[in-house]
Amino acid sequence: GAVVSQHPSWVICKSGTSVKIECRSLDFQATTMFWYRQFPKQSLMLMATSNEGSKATYEQGVEKDKFLINHASLTLSTLTVTSAHPEDSSFYICSARPSLVGGEQFFGPGTRLTVL
Amino acid sequence: QQQVKQSPQSLIVQKGGISIINCAYENTAFDYFPWYQQFPGKGPALLIAIRPDVSEKKEGRFTISFNKSAKQFSLHIMDSQPGDSATYFCAASRRNNRLAFGKGNQVVVIP
Repeated sequence: GAVVSQHPSWVICKSGTSVKIECRSLDFQATTMFWYRQFPKQSLMLMATSNEGSKATYEQGVEKDKFLINHASLTLSTLTVTSAHPEDSSFYICSARPSLVGGEQFFGPGTRLTVL
Repeated sequence: QQQVKQSPQSLIVQKGGISIINCAYENTAFDYFPWYQQFPGKGPALLIAIRPDVSEKKEGRFTISFNKSAKQFSLHIMDSQPGDSATYFCAASRRNNRLAFGKGNQVVVIP
């Protein structure tokens, strides 16, 4: 149980284009989902917290107009990187927290974004 | 400000040995302490977690030791195997809030 999927697993795009990444909780409902980015050999950096049906809460320094987050249902959240640039190239990971369980977050497999 | 500090940065262990990774935290309001295992190119996987009402938790070859007064917790991997070679992250959170992650520790188990 507690499986989180992400799609796509990797994406290469041209500078200036937008990329959408999906995060799904497959066997549980997630009131809260989190989006992280991770650079090579570094820790996870929280970008934003999204609650189903409400606006995402962004961490300091994260541009909300650039990283659009939508959490339309209890099993799906999307991250759209708008007008991507090479510096946005990173490993993006989502996590989901089951609604009725305290604390535990279950992570997706990550999405490798490369912007040319 | 690093809320959770991990040590050592990297660790090389002989197969069959014990891997020990330590974490220290500042916020006494933290009430959930998980360890995550991450392989290259994959997302982190929850390995084991503890709450401050117990001092130790064991699941298979993995044990968390928790010292509330010292504000420290550690992960012990018994009988380390080459397949345990990965990056391990400790984390902490308070009342279902976001997780504060340590910087990670790369463990290499040599045959």
